[in-house]
Amino acid sequence: EVQLVESGGGLVQPGGSLRLSCAASGFTFSGYKMSWVRQAPGKGLERVATITDTGGATSYADSVKGRFTISRDNSKNTLYLQMNSLRAEDTAVYYCASGGTAVIFDYWGQGTLVTVSP
Amino acid sequence: EIVLTQSPGTLSLSPGERGTLSCRASQSVDSSYLAWFQQKPGQAPRLLIYGASTRATGIPDRFSGSGSETDFTLTISRLEPEDFAVYYCQQYGTSPITFGQGTRLEIK
Repeated sequence: EVQLVESGGGLVQPGGSLRLSCAASGFTFSGYKMSWVRQAPGKGLERVATITDTGGATSYADSVKGRFTISRDNSKNTLYLQMNSLRAEDTAVYYCASGGTAVIFDYWGQGTLVTVSP
Repeated sequence: EIVLTQSPGTLSLSPGERGTLSCRASQSVDSSYLAWFQQKPGQAPRLLIYGASTRATGIPDRFSGSGSETDFTLTISRLEPEDFAVYYCQQYGTSPITFGQGTRLEIK
C-alpha cells in the first residue's frame, strides 16, 4: 500500500522557519518526481515546489521562490520542504504528492498544517 | 503561466442527475496533460482523471473526462451521494503546474 506521511507542521511566528518532511512507502520513491502542494484555509490548491526523481532539478511557485527549498533523500525515502522567512499568507495545509511536470499527481499524503501567526 | 478557469463555481444537483463541470485554459494545454481531482472536507485531493480522459485506478466509470487544447469537461453521469464534493482541474504539462479555483458540487 502506498503511503505518504507528512510531519513537521505547527505554529510559527512571521519571519520564522519550519522544515516539513514526507515519508514515503509502498512504491519506488526514487523513481518519481515529487511535489509539495498547499491549500490555505477555505481556498484552492497551489503547487509550491517540485523536484525530479534524482533531485537534480527543482522548480518553485513565484510566491515562495528564494524562501522555500525542496529536497529529497532517496536512501531514506523522504521528501523535505525547508521554509524560511515565513509569512502569514503561507498559512495552509501542506500536502506532499508524487508527480510533477508531465507526471500525474497520483499519490497524496494526508497533509500537515502550518500556521504563521504572532 | 496557464490560468485555469472552472465553471460554475457552485453546482446544485440531485442524486441521480448528470453533472457537467467545465475547465477553460488561458492557453493550449500541452498534450492533454489535464487532470481532475475530487476533494472532500478534511481529506487530500483524489486523482480522478488524467490525460484529459483516462480514469485513474479504482475510479467508477460514471466519471468521464473530455476535451482538448483549452476546453475540458468532467462529466458525472449519475450522481451518487458520495460524489458531492469540490472538484479541481489541473494542468501538469507546462511549468508552473496550475490548478483551477474549483467547482463545489452540492446537493440540491
